[in-house]
Amino acid sequence: GAGVSQSPSNKVTEKGKDVELRCDPISGHTALYWYRQSLGQGLEFLIYFQGNSAPDKSGLPSDRFSAERTGGSVSTLTIQRTQQEDSAVYLCASSLGGRELNEQFFGPGTRLTVL
Amino acid sequence: TQLLEQSPQFLSIQEGENLTVYCNSSSVFSSLQWYRQEPGEGPVLLVTVVTGGEVKKLKRLTFQFGDARKDSSLHITAAQPGDTGLYLCAGGRGNTGKLIFGQGTTLQVKP
Repeated sequence: GAGVSQSPSNKVTEKGKDVELRCDPISGHTALYWYRQSLGQGLEFLIYFQGNSAPDKSGLPSDRFSAERTGGSVSTLTIQRTQQEDSAVYLCASSLGGRELNEQFFGPGTRLTVL
Repeated sequence: TQLLEQSPQFLSIQEGENLTVYCNSSSVFSSLQWYRQEPGEGPVLLVTVVTGGEVKKLKRLTFQFGDARKDSSLHITAAQPGDTGLYLCAGGRGNTGKLIFGQGTTLQVKP
C-alpha cells in the first residue's frame, strides 16, 4: 500500500531485553516522526528526522532510546534494556516536509509490552 | 506538564445529541490540529486551523481556534455511532512539524 507501515504490529518482550521497531514512511516524504502513546492517551513526541538527520531528539525519554534513519526512508527505533514503563504503542508518522502545516500521515503503530 | 488540556476526557452520548470538546493551553500555538483515532490505527487529520478566531466546518463537525490562539473547540452536531473514537488536538509551534498533543477525548455514541 501507499501508507506508512510499521513492524512488528505487536511485540512482547521481557524486561532487560533490547527491541527494534521499524517504520517505512510514504515514498518521497522527507520528514519522519516517532511518537509514543499510552493506552487511550495522547501522543508523546519522541524524535523528528529531516532526511537522515535528527534535528530534534528532545522527546527521547532516556539514553536507552535511540533512532536512526537510512537512505532518507526507513527508520528504526531501538530501546535497550527495556523496562515495564516502556510498554506503550509506538507510532511513526511521515510528511512531505518538516513544517507544521505539512500533514503528518500515521502508521498503525507497534504495541510494545514489556513483561 | 501537559501543555494542552482536553476536556472532557470521556464522553458517552446518545445518537442525535450535540457535543463540544475543548482544548486549552496557557501557551500560544501557531496552528492547532484535530485528529480522530480508531482502535488499532494511527490518528487521521481532520482539520488544521491557523488564524485566531478561525472557524472551519467539516460536515457536522465545527472547529474553532481561539482569538488568542491558545485554545480550540470541536463541536459535533447530531452525533452518529460512526463518530465514535478518540479525538486528539495537537498544537504546532512554527518551523518544525513537532506537535504537542492533548491527552485525548474518548467519544462513544450509542445508537
